[in-house]
Amino acid sequence: RKEVEQDPGPFNVPEGATVAFNCTYSNSASQSFFWYRQDCRKEPKLLMSVYSSGNEDGRFTAQLNRASQYISLLIRDSKLSDSATYLCVVSRGSGNTPLVFGKGTRLSVIA
Amino acid sequence: DAGVTQSPTHLIKTRGQQVTLRCSPKSGHDTVSWYQQALGQGPQFIFQYYEEEERQRGNFPDRFSGHQFPNYSSELNVNALLLGDSALYLCASILTGGSGNTIYFGEGSWLTVV
Repeated sequence: RKEVEQDPGPFNVPEGATVAFNCTYSNSASQSFFWYRQDCRKEPKLLMSVYSSGNEDGRFTAQLNRASQYISLLIRDSKLSDSATYLCVVSRGSGNTPLVFGKGTRLSVIA
Repeated sequence: DAGVTQSPTHLIKTRGQQVTLRCSPKSGHDTVSWYQQALGQGPQFIFQYYEEEERQRGNFPDRFSGHQFPNYSSELNVNALLLGDSALYLCASILTGGSGNTIYFGEGSWLTVV
């Protein structure tokens, strides 16, 4: 079993739709949680960190459930520019602790 | 302020050959990590260098080795290349012990083994 599992994609949604990505992790020692965005043939870029209290950044909301070892990302009012692969990422610590990536879920927002 | 820079951006090698990839960390960062991203997969941690020593290593064979220089730049070497080594190789940097914990990735080196 992979340490980080994500919804298989791709997700094809119309502009303005709300889309949710789910992720589970198997290592209960995980301490830090993130969503990264990766555009085609580019490097991953941090979208947002995920906290137990939940956090929101504009149209993006991330949630963490430590008991269920479950992470989610909600994108509201999808834009064409949101089209990318979304990577669920966990780490056993902070700072220089290695990141463990999920396989990623591809999102295509269609006009 | 230069971000993480990697070279070369693309290269093609033949099975059995050796390759060296290079990385310059973001200014002020002293720790470099390397990741391998195969097509359709998420990045996988190869190893991390700090103070010119390998500090942490992922599940990669000894064919993968590295080095860090006094200026914090780093090299990734892969010997006896296999077709399965074809991937995007990403370098990431961070300042160990810094107040922030954001890791910055370079744009990567695309390696194709034929």
